Amino acid sequence: QSVLTQPPSVSAAPGQKVTISCSGSGSNIGKNDVSWYHQLPGTPPKLLIYENHKGPSGIPDRISGSKSGTSATLGITGLQTGDEGDYYCGTWDSNLSAWVFGGGTTLTVL
Amino acid sequence: QVQLVQSGPEVRQPGSSVNVSCKASRGTFNSYTITWVRQAPGQGLEWLGGILPVFGTTNYAQKFQDRVTITADESTRTAYMELRNLRSDDTAVYYCARDRAGLDYWGQGTLVIVSS
Repeated sequence: QSVLTQPPSVSAAPGQKVTISCSGSGSNIGKNDVSWYHQLPGTPPKLLIYENHKGPSGIPDRISGSKSGTSATLGITGLQTGDEGDYYCGTWDSNLSAWVFGGGTTLTVL
Repeated sequence: QVQLVQSGPEVRQPGSSVNVSCKASRGTFNSYTITWVRQAPGQGLEWLGGILPVFGTTNYAQKFQDRVTITADESTRTAYMELRNLRSDDTAVYYCARDRAGLDYWGQGTLVIVSS
């Protein structure tokens, strides 16, 4: 059972938009910055979004992040087949004094 | 550009220990926390703990508190994660990652198999 809650899977057609939610509590998302990761099979996770909405160099603008209260959302527009894979949200939990992650969401581009 | 290179795959028997290394080949090493995360087959990400090399201060997940030790050697720019008293459910890929603003650079992962 993960501390942060994500939908197990989402899907959309190429060129469409998808959002992935991440729900937490006041001790984690409500208090600390959220980051998002994309993982392809057999490879390490890759940072997509940090500090709730900032994209590292090289991450396209069609990938966005937001946070409100104890929830965060990752948005991807103009879906491409290369966007398929697993997505994870993560943040620090001040009560647990630990990094916590969502259970992961598998994105399928139909 | 930071590059984290981890040691190779390991096979261990239950009850034994494993030591995984993570060497930073470029970029700043000692000013940011090096975090260890594992991923069991088909499962999600699980945090084990981290170390801030410049101070040597560590933080561990309560679940692993009595079985894991994370250290760092600034002279060789290498962090280490030792997991003791291994069980079959410790079989996983173990990653190191730099915690700067989010986990921005990751090692390639080290597969640890625990089997008799």
